Amino acid sequence: DGGITQSPKYLFRKEGQNVTLSCEQNLNHDAMYWYRQDPGQGLRLIYYSQIVNDFQKGDIAEGYSVSREKKESFPLTVTSAQKNPTAFYLCASQSGVRRFYEQYFGPGTRLTVT
Amino acid sequence: DQQVKQNSPSLSVQEGRISILNCDYTNSMFDYFLWYKKYPAEGPTFLISISSIKDKNEDGRFTVFLNKSAKHLSLHIVPSQPGDSAVYFCAASSSQGAQKLVFGQGTRLTINP
Repeated sequence: DGGITQSPKYLFRKEGQNVTLSCEQNLNHDAMYWYRQDPGQGLRLIYYSQIVNDFQKGDIAEGYSVSREKKESFPLTVTSAQKNPTAFYLCASQSGVRRFYEQYFGPGTRLTVT
Repeated sequence: DQQVKQNSPSLSVQEGRISILNCDYTNSMFDYFLWYKKYPAEGPTFLISISSIKDKNEDGRFTVFLNKSAKHLSLHIVPSQPGDSAVYFCAASSSQGAQKLVFGQGTRLTINP
């Protein structure tokens, strides 16, 4: 089945540690996205990539980093510079064809930093 | 700068009645609008969309209305069912510029038996 996988479902880290969240898709989509969801704030865009080896900052990129070495994979690293890392992180992908606007989401990763 | 706004954080509707969720936007460059449904601890799932060349799109129990002059769209669910209880996000995109969605804050819909 085609889809997006995110692992792990739950992640716990100590403050000051970097952590990498995995996102893989087998939909053959060109574009991939990382969002963060906090209560009452909807989905906020962290980073996005419209093509392999290229990515752009979203609205809240500070304290995060990404890479896009393969079309299928778009890992997100939450660095120790991110002041409030505890959140629900969602990865999404979208066809590169302009008329297809729908994004498909993974199940999310709940990150808790203490 | 909230370009897409859902001003009602929550909505409670009786089973069988109509649910109306509202969304406002400010960016006149937006020309495609989507609604997503999200259950707790899951990723959002696409529900229905509408292009700015239309003012209505219907899919089963779900209808989205677009009023471009008012920069307003709404999602109607009729009849409402208990399984419709979820958070609904409105999103907007522009055919110009980067290929990305701008989301509203979401509205939590509760369907009461």
